[in-house]
Amino acid sequence: DAMVIQNPRYQVTQFGKPVTLSCSQTLNHNVMYWYQQKSSQAPKLLFHYYDKDFNNEADTPDNFQSRRPNTSFCFLDIRSPGLGDAAMYLCATSSPAEGGETQYFGPGTRLLVL
Amino acid sequence: AQTVTQSQPEMSVQEAETVTLSCTYDTSENNYYLFWYKQPPSRQMILVIRQEAYKQQNATENRFSVNFQKAAKSFSLKISDSQLGDTAMYFCAYSHNFGNEKLTFGTGTRLTIIP
Repeated sequence: DAMVIQNPRYQVTQFGKPVTLSCSQTLNHNVMYWYQQKSSQAPKLLFHYYDKDFNNEADTPDNFQSRRPNTSFCFLDIRSPGLGDAAMYLCATSSPAEGGETQYFGPGTRLLVL
Repeated sequence: AQTVTQSQPEMSVQEAETVTLSCTYDTSENNYYLFWYKQPPSRQMILVIRQEAYKQQNATENRFSVNFQKAAKSFSLKISDSQLGDTAMYFCAYSHNFGNEKLTFGTGTRLTIIP
């Protein structure tokens, strides 16, 4: 089945130690999104890629970066994680060719910062 | 800026009963999409139902239906014959445009189905 895959599902890192979360998709969608979801809160968009075009949300901290080496993969890099960055990170995809309005989510990566 | 408001942080209902979750939104746009997403305890976000603003007919998907009131900017979700598997966090979301427009989520309603 076509899907959005996130690895790892759980990630533990130390305060200030860089960490990378990965997302892959078999849907061949042009657009990939990264959301941060803190406990009992709504997901908050960090940034998205439309093909190779990167779109950063105005309030996304510089500590968060992203890479999209090809259509299938997208990475979230946290350069110096702080305790406040502990959250669930959700990857999603969409396709303008399919209407574009519906986003398909991966299972998320739960990040713990010690 | 668009905002989405869910005024019911938590709800519970007996299995097999009907429950309605409320959502209101604010936008100055005429064309947009509205969604209900479900996030079960396993936490994968799943699309439940979506509504195009230009369609007057309310969307339905099996036991799930919406009451879309465009003038009132209201978008409620009705779950009929509720099942234990419906227990989840439900998010109402708004999207303005096609393609790469972001979703604006409400704060969610935690729904518990009681056996």
